[in-house]
Amino acid sequence: AQKITQTQPGMFVQEKEAVTLDCTYDTSDQSYGLFWYKQPSSGEMIFLIYQGSYDEQNATEGRYSLNFQKARKSANLVISASQLGDSAMYFCAMRVNNQGGKLIFGQGTELSVKP
Amino acid sequence: NAGVTQTPKFQVLKTGQSMTLQCAQDMNHEYMSWYRQDPGMGLRLIHYSVGAGITDQGEVPNGYNVSRSTTEDFPLRLLSAAPSQTSVYFCASSEDSFSGNTIYFGEGSWLTVV
Repeated sequence: AQKITQTQPGMFVQEKEAVTLDCTYDTSDQSYGLFWYKQPSSGEMIFLIYQGSYDEQNATEGRYSLNFQKARKSANLVISASQLGDSAMYFCAMRVNNQGGKLIFGQGTELSVKP
Repeated sequence: NAGVTQTPKFQVLKTGQSMTLQCAQDMNHEYMSWYRQDPGMGLRLIHYSVGAGITDQGEVPNGYNVSRSTTEDFPLRLLSAAPSQTSVYFCASSEDSFSGNTIYFGEGSWLTVV
């Protein structure tokens, strides 16, 4: 069965510090993609970063990087230099390719950035 | 380019009523899907479609119907609303499974069933 696990229901980080949000996944498929989304209190889903299963390098997008460890089936999100506006829910999701674009989501981590 | 448009944004229904959540995209995407998000949880897949005329069930399909008569539209029908269907509903679309991060979400529809 395909599954995403986020074990941190809530996290606190001091402004300007880095924080890592954990995500592990389970699939027997070889071709898949891993996503991180941010959901602020307004509710919209904001795409942050994507990692394909065959990508050899870890993905980076500005202050976001994805620490992809394929053998351990983990895809942790690292946010550098946290800002107050980073306070939100963060979701890790997996899409198994060739299965209709479906996403499987974890339960999310609520990040609070303290001034 | 409007992306993915969901209507209505907010709706209150009485138990037993039916309604349709509309989803439209103007990007000519083949793949569309509906998710629901309950408090404190991630999104769960209700139904999805890989093209006009083709739909399939996701993780939580009971109580919902979908159809895909055109590439642009993918409505979600609640047949007889129940309080357990109180949730936030998201529609999403993408080109195909291999296009990286090209998954677009609508802004969500907040549904309350009383």
